[in-house]
Amino acid sequence: DTGVSQDPRHKITKRGQNVTFRCDPISEHNRLYWYRQTLGQGPEFLTYFQNEAQLEKSRLLSDRFSAERPKGSFSTLEIQRTEQGDSAMYLCASSLMVGGPYEQYFGPGTRLTVT
Amino acid sequence: AQSVAQPEDQVNVAEGNPLTVKCTYSVSGNPYLFWYVQYPNRGLQFLLKYITGDNLVKGSYGFEAEFNKSQTSFHLKKPSALVSDSALYFCAVRDPPNNLFFGTGTRLTVIP
Repeated sequence: DTGVSQDPRHKITKRGQNVTFRCDPISEHNRLYWYRQTLGQGPEFLTYFQNEAQLEKSRLLSDRFSAERPKGSFSTLEIQRTEQGDSAMYLCASSLMVGGPYEQYFGPGTRLTVT
Repeated sequence: AQSVAQPEDQVNVAEGNPLTVKCTYSVSGNPYLFWYVQYPNRGLQFLLKYITGDNLVKGSYGFEAEFNKSQTSFHLKKPSALVSDSALYFCAVRDPPNNLFFGTGTRLTVIP
């Protein structure tokens, strides 16, 4: 399968703990995006990378959130001191850069539950 | 700011009948519009996009969408609905420079 993959698929954590999610994009895609989706809503943009550079961050991305893409391939999203309001589906997507706007291809998501 | 609206939370249609899922948009500049589908416990799957050119865009699984500039609409259509089309459908607009702004989704149920 050469699609976008995310790990883990589900994460249950206690409030105050730190969590980290991983995303592996489609190999030839150099753009990578993180979105958050809560129940009954569409995905909301969090941040975006072009290769290893983080070029845009949403105001939704508080200072407890940090994302990296160290070698321009996979990416990690870390949430520190989790809160119950962080419970959501975290989606990763990737796309090509040249030309466009190209469609984004999404992974299956990581569902986070903060208890 | 870019935005899209999906006025219907739920659409029910009988199998074999045509279906329409509505989307209206508000953008500054040229609209780049997309439709995605989401099945339970899965990520979003790309269906089709409008960038420029023909107002009728054809996509995956027999879906098509009609871009209407005067009505600022981009409705998703299919001539004959299948039970397997039952899912959550999202309209999205490019939010420059690089991300997507999604609507709240429309749940489509195709009744056998």
